[in-house]
Amino acid sequence: AQSVTQPDIHITVSEGASLELRCNYSYGATPYLFWYVQSPGQGLQLLLKYFSGDTLVQGIKGFEAEFKRSQSSFNLRKPSVHWSDAAEYFCAVGPYNTDKLIFGTGTRLQVFP
Amino acid sequence: EPEVTQTPSHQVTQMGQEVILRCVPISNHLYFYWYRQILGQKVEFLVSFYNNEISEKSEIFDDQFSVERPDGSNFTLKIRSTKLEDSAMYFCASRGDHNTEAFFGQGTRLTVV
Repeated sequence: AQSVTQPDIHITVSEGASLELRCNYSYGATPYLFWYVQSPGQGLQLLLKYFSGDTLVQGIKGFEAEFKRSQSSFNLRKPSVHWSDAAEYFCAVGPYNTDKLIFGTGTRLQVFP
Repeated sequence: EPEVTQTPSHQVTQMGQEVILRCVPISNHLYFYWYRQILGQKVEFLVSFYNNEISEKSEIFDDQFSVERPDGSNFTLKIRSTKLEDSAMYFCASRGDHNTEAFFGQGTRLTVV
């Protein structure tokens, strides 16, 4: 079955600390992978995507993610977190035509000053 | 920057009433979607729409739901007879063509009382 697992429901970090949000997927075909961020009361904003090519992808707001096929993972990283990064982060997987995204349950990030 | 616009941002309706959620996708986009997020749960795919017809729908999208693109710019989701469990945030999304990501609107929070 196709699924996305985000093992960490809630993560708290101090401002300036590094961050890694985990995402594992189960998908029969070559996946297209995405990270979206949802700030309180806001919609879903795309942080970055992986379709093919370089397995380390750069996104907006200083985020990056690495696709590891052998581990079925697409973890999101940021070297230094800012207070404004506090939000909910969703990993998603889709087919080659990016229809019907399957989302993980999300990781809520809290940032302490 | 082009964006997907959804109205209203919040709608309260009585159980059994019909509601129409409205979306204006990004101009020139070809594929349209509705997703929903019940409070505290993951974002779930409802339906995809292309070339004026439904291309795929989930098991959630039963006969109570319908979608329409009435005038070439709006994309609507209608729920004929709302139930308490329809209370959720509903996201509209659109994308241009293959190998592009979906852009999401800010969402409409539907509360059924």
